[in-house]
Amino acid sequence: GAVVSQHPSRVICKSGTSVKIECRSLDFQATTMFWYRQFPKQSLMLMATSNEGSKATYEQGVEKDKFLINHASLTLSTLTVTSAHPEDSSFYICSARRGSGNTEAFFGQGTRLTVV
Amino acid sequence: AQTVTQSQPEMSVQEAETVTLSCTYDTSESDYYLFWYKQPPSRQMILVIRQEAYKQQNATENRFSVNFQKAAKSFSLKISDSQLGDAAMYFCAYRRDSGGGADGLTFGKGTHLIIQP
Repeated sequence: GAVVSQHPSRVICKSGTSVKIECRSLDFQATTMFWYRQFPKQSLMLMATSNEGSKATYEQGVEKDKFLINHASLTLSTLTVTSAHPEDSSFYICSARRGSGNTEAFFGQGTRLTVV
Repeated sequence: AQTVTQSQPEMSVQEAETVTLSCTYDTSESDYYLFWYKQPPSRQMILVIRQEAYKQQNATENRFSVNFQKAAKSFSLKISDSQLGDAAMYFCAYRRDSGGGADGLTFGKGTHLIIQP
């Protein structure tokens, strides 16, 4: 099966700093990648959709200037949380889809972000 | 906008028994996909089963099967012969089919499944 690797798995940063999370498709080219956020004991909420070489599409209520998404290649998408605050602490999960249409999206293992 | 509802925050079943997890959804789309994902304590999302809305036949994957009722917008998951390894959070998810593959998933709130040995 396809493998999606997310790095780091855990990160602690100070309030006001920025942190970058990487999502890589290891054995396939991902035309589309998705970023989700999961609060403790809650569901996953789609934050944004990124297509290689174009701007990300953000869901309503997600601040695009705070959550910068870059999908510079067919195997890498990054999420940068800028000027992080404690309320940004959460579990962030990416997924990557190979091709289009009726293809499955594979999930990374997630990143636990703690802002102190 | 589409919504997914899982009305059972927690379910418990004896090992080797059968359990059914409920899911309903709301959409105005005619073409879409429905999924059940498993999230164990490791937090890795694992696809359990998928159903295309245009297919009338219910999807089956070994011990896992679904009861897809399109008119009722219901999509329940049945786990037969429950095993200890089935213990996890189970999320029902919806994805519309716009044809381009750029649609993300809408998840329900999840059901915590406990397997009693």
